[in-house]
Amino acid sequence: KQEVTQIPAALSVPEGENLVLNCSFTDSAIYNLQWFRQDPGKGLTSLLLIQSSQREQTSGRLNASLDKSSGRSTLYIAASQPGDSATYLCASGTYKYIFGTGTRLKVLA
Amino acid sequence: NAGVTQTPKFQVLKTGQSMTLQCAQDMNHNSMYWYRQDPGMGLRLIYYSASEGTTDKGEVPNGYNVSRLNKREFSLRLESAAPSQTSVYFCASSEGDRVYGYTFGSGTRLTVV
Repeated sequence: KQEVTQIPAALSVPEGENLVLNCSFTDSAIYNLQWFRQDPGKGLTSLLLIQSSQREQTSGRLNASLDKSSGRSTLYIAASQPGDSATYLCASGTYKYIFGTGTRLKVLA
Repeated sequence: NAGVTQTPKFQVLKTGQSMTLQCAQDMNHNSMYWYRQDPGMGLRLIYYSASEGTTDKGEVPNGYNVSRLNKREFSLRLESAAPSQTSVYFCASSEGDRVYGYTFGSGTRLTVV
């Protein structure tokens, strides 16, 4: 059974820092790994989708990597801003996703 | 392009009452999903429909039923609501193959008193 773990559970950083969020999964037989952002009281917004054959994806200040052999993905956020404050969730699986419990990020101005 | 639309956005039920949460997508996706989100528990899959005409149980199906009405619509029914079903419910859809990932609705916040 797939299990997805995100570390750390919470993170507080000063504005401008580069940071890395971690996601690990137990079953490497995944189709995709997807990173989401969730603002308080809101739905999930897709940030990046990495297909199983890919190693990384980039969008603006965000870069996500995938290492299936080690069961790990990282989300790198460059030059963090207060507007990046949110909960970041990763999910992976085959035809149905299993979600991690998220990393709650706070970027201090 | 609306994406995934959920109704209602908020609902308060009394214990024992029934209700149906509605979900519709306009992206011609094959697969649809219902998740619940609880503090500290993350998102847990309740039911999913891999394609029109099929439904399967997820991780936490007890107390719920679903209907895949057509390709666009996937509803979640609580027959006799319990306080333990107080949660935020999210509907999602995907192309159904391995490429495109999930698109989520904005959620339904349900309180059972």
